[in-house]
Amino acid sequence: SQQGEEDPQALSIQEGENATMNCSYKTSINNLQWYRQNSGRGLVHLILIRSNEREKHSGRLRVTLDTSKKSSSLLITASRAADTASYFCATDAGNQGGKLIFGQGTELSVKP
Amino acid sequence: IAGITQAPTSQILAAGRRMTLRCTQDMRHNAMYWYRQDLGLGLRLIHYSNTAGTTGKGEVPDGYSVSRANTDDFPLTLASAVPSQTSVYFCASSDQYNSPLHFGNGTRLTVT
Repeated sequence: SQQGEEDPQALSIQEGENATMNCSYKTSINNLQWYRQNSGRGLVHLILIRSNEREKHSGRLRVTLDTSKKSSSLLITASRAADTASYFCATDAGNQGGKLIFGQGTELSVKP
Repeated sequence: IAGITQAPTSQILAAGRRMTLRCTQDMRHNAMYWYRQDLGLGLRLIHYSNTAGTTGKGEVPDGYSVSRANTDDFPLTLASAVPSQTSVYFCASSDQYNSPLHFGNGTRLTVT
């Protein structure tokens, strides 16, 4: 079964708007990671947040983690058409020996 | 350019045939992984290797085998392909436990 589940499955916004994607997971974790995938390509790592961190920033990306609710969110501010991609969260599922388990992803479409 | 090379990029295979998907990394990463990506199911871990000489099973290992004779190569073999193995296969590597993954660009496999 999937450890991480993203919400929404698809999101369509206009350029300049903010995009928020959510991820929920089931078991305790050491860290949670977000990845981006452009159509037909491999995934690219965006940001890693550890279980003892609550918020992390990287450029226009802001990630939050709430371990009590077993959830995380990825915020992309001032979105651009080039941000159009699928976004995945991945967790190490605590006792899984460091292996990452991915959610099903959120497909983001940013319209110019 | 450092990274992961997967071959072939795509393949059409008759059911019952044997097939090996190749994966090579030049980053000297210890850990390597094979994922399959299917529409609506996200990425699922097939097999992994934490270091050369060791391998382990992921979420969906049946019908697949791997070997890790050296640090750089991590081939995935389908002994007798079945149509349900039609998928996009991604190889990934990471420096160490809980580090971000680096992905190849995938092999699109169709089993007829």
